[in-house]
Amino acid sequence: SQWGEENLQALSIQEGEDVTMNCSYKTYTTVVQWYRQKSGKGPALIILIRSNEREKRSGRLRATLDTSSQSSSLSITGTLATDTAVYFCATDAGVVGQLTFGSGTRLQVYA
Amino acid sequence: EAAVTQSPRNKVTVTGGNVTLSCRQTNSHNYMYWYRQDTGHGLRLIHYSYGAGNLQIGDVPDGYKATRTTQEDFFLLLELASPSQTSLYFCASRDRYAEQFFGPGTRLTVL
Repeated sequence: SQWGEENLQALSIQEGEDVTMNCSYKTYTTVVQWYRQKSGKGPALIILIRSNEREKRSGRLRATLDTSSQSSSLSITGTLATDTAVYFCATDAGVVGQLTFGSGTRLQVYA
Repeated sequence: EAAVTQSPRNKVTVTGGNVTLSCRQTNSHNYMYWYRQDTGHGLRLIHYSYGAGNLQIGDVPDGYKATRTTQEDFFLLLELASPSQTSLYFCASRDRYAEQFFGPGTRLTVL
């Protein structure tokens, strides 16, 4: 899982496989955002889950949030080579306008 | 669609040099951010602003100044650049739903 000063995690899988990435956070948050960063680009939001939600789906993406354990997960089903990217979770620690990003998970999907 | 642009895209300077990184967003977002990204550290917040003339300190502000001249423009200033500031810098703006929109990044090298 990713957070804080942990080294960047790395996963390598074959196209078509499912994958789950985990994120743990240290303080209260009103929202967990998952961003994807492709090589040479800035991060882009792919899914957002609020503290009153346990699960959120968007296409092949599924995010979960467990506020009691302060953890979130992002699952991608039927991965494609184009899912190759670094995935970050981000939380707001209850501070309006400010996000803190995890160290990220590097996902490599082989065709 | 959200549009955040940054200039320059690449910059090389020497230790002690003076550098200004520019960011413009055209979406009338109130919040704007400067992050640095280094391998293994994810995105770290340097400074942010919630409107023209406003400046808030982020998590890693030492050695950086910032100025928000208009709602659209946010500048990051390195007045005495050091090699430790060699990094990839991202600017972002935030909409009212908490999503952050990132620019393409500026790669800064301090020799």
